[in-house]
Amino acid sequence: DQQVKQNSPSLSVQEGRISILNCDYTNSMFDYFLWYKKYPAEGPTFLISISSIKDKNEDGRFTVFLNKSAKHLSLHIVPSQPGDSAVYFCAAGNAGNMLTFGGGTRLMVKP
Amino acid sequence: DAGITQSPRYKITETGRQVTLMCHQTWSHSYMFWYRQDLGHGLRLIYYSAAADITDKGEVPDGYVVSRSKTENFPLTLESATRSQTSVYFCASNLAGTDEQFFGPGTRLTVL
Repeated sequence: DQQVKQNSPSLSVQEGRISILNCDYTNSMFDYFLWYKKYPAEGPTFLISISSIKDKNEDGRFTVFLNKSAKHLSLHIVPSQPGDSAVYFCAAGNAGNMLTFGGGTRLMVKP
Repeated sequence: DAGITQSPRYKITETGRQVTLMCHQTWSHSYMFWYRQDLGHGLRLIYYSAAADITDKGEVPDGYVVSRSKTENFPLTLESATRSQTSVYFCASNLAGTDEQFFGPGTRLTVL
C-alpha cells in the first residue's frame, strides 16, 4: 500500500505558464514533506520542503502548498522554464530521518 | 571530491553472482540510505544506517546486505543477484535532525 502517491505520471506545460504537481498521502503521522527534482542519469536534488505545521512555503519560483485535512500537497512552479523539465518526486518524513517517496511525475516544459 | 559518490556508475552482471555497490560521503553525515528506483515505484528504501555499526531494514531489504564499519562508507551487497534486482540504485545521506537527504549520482545495475 503506497503511503505517498503521485497520480499523474506526466505533465506538459508551455513555457511561462504555471506547472502544478500534485501528491497525496495516507499517513497522518508524516510531519514534513519535501520535493525533489531529478534529471536523467543524475541523483535527485532537493527543491523545497514544508513542515506539517505550515500550509505554504515559497522559494523563488517554487511554492509548496499543504492541505492536511485532505492529505494533499502540491508544488507550483511559476513561471515554468524549459530547464524545469525533469522528474519530480514528493517525499514525506517523520521522526527517524526516513523518507517515503511517491512514484514521480515527469514534467515537460515546452518552449 | 566533496559530497557523496557512488561506484561503479554502471554494472552488468549475471544471475547468481555477488555484486557490491559502493557509497562514500565526505560530510560525516550520521545517516546513510540505499534506495532503488524502478518505473512506477519511485524510490524505495532498501536499508539505512543511523551511525557506524548501526543498520536497519527499509521497505525492500530481501536479497541485500549492508555494512557500515566507517561513518563515510555504506556498501550494498547483492549476495546472489537476480533479474528482479535490475534497477538504478541511489545512496543518500543526511545530518541527524535535518530533513533533507543528499543523493549520490546512482548506479545502474543490470542482471542478465
